[in-house]
Amino acid sequence: DVVMTQSPLSLPVTLGQPASISCRSSQSLVHTDGNTYLSWFQQRPGQSPRRLIYTVSNRDSGVPDRFSGSGSGTDFTLKISRVEAEDVGVYYCMQGTHWPPITFGQGTRLEIK
Amino acid sequence: EGQLVESGGGLVQPGGSLRLSCAASGFIFSSYWMSWVRQAPGKGLEWVANIKEDGSEKSYVDSVKGRFTISRDNATNSLYLQMNTLRAEDTAVYYCARGNAGDSWGQGSLVIVSS
Repeated sequence: DVVMTQSPLSLPVTLGQPASISCRSSQSLVHTDGNTYLSWFQQRPGQSPRRLIYTVSNRDSGVPDRFSGSGSGTDFTLKISRVEAEDVGVYYCMQGTHWPPITFGQGTRLEIK
Repeated sequence: EGQLVESGGGLVQPGGSLRLSCAASGFIFSSYWMSWVRQAPGKGLEWVANIKEDGSEKSYVDSVKGRFTISRDNATNSLYLQMNTLRAEDTAVYYCARGNAGDSWGQGSLVIVSS
């Protein structure tokens, strides 16, 4: 199984400041079709998960452009350019290249300092 | 965008069975793989199973193989998860999600396995 490792697990951020979350996979996520199936999800307190980013760097509809994804191979990053209060929650990376099973990172809890 | 609504959760004793349902609307259900993902209380997300558009392919996480069965009815836009021989560690909120990359999620259905 592909192991997804996120860091940090807790991320206190001042409002208006940038934030960055790292996600590393135990093997390359490049699929034989050439795509890299790495997604990012946000789960606000008491809510269902919501996808923010797919195939490394593509933002889902309605996702603010302060969210961006980057990376390749085994190293990926989610960046928030200026954190807002509504960004509080837990962020997960997920790989859909080598399955079953589809696997998630442990989650990174973002809080406001 | 699509909407997904889960139902069927509840309290069940260890060794018991439960069937979750997910009603889909607002998109062409038969054109999408569908998945079940669960979240134990205070824990992270765990993919459970997925099923191909026409139901011809199904996959499961090892911990539920032989106990859980995913199925779908494209005529009624419904996804199901039959859960048998339930264990305490199956206690979780169960989400249905569209596709393998989860571009849309339901609100979740809580399953509690306890005596």
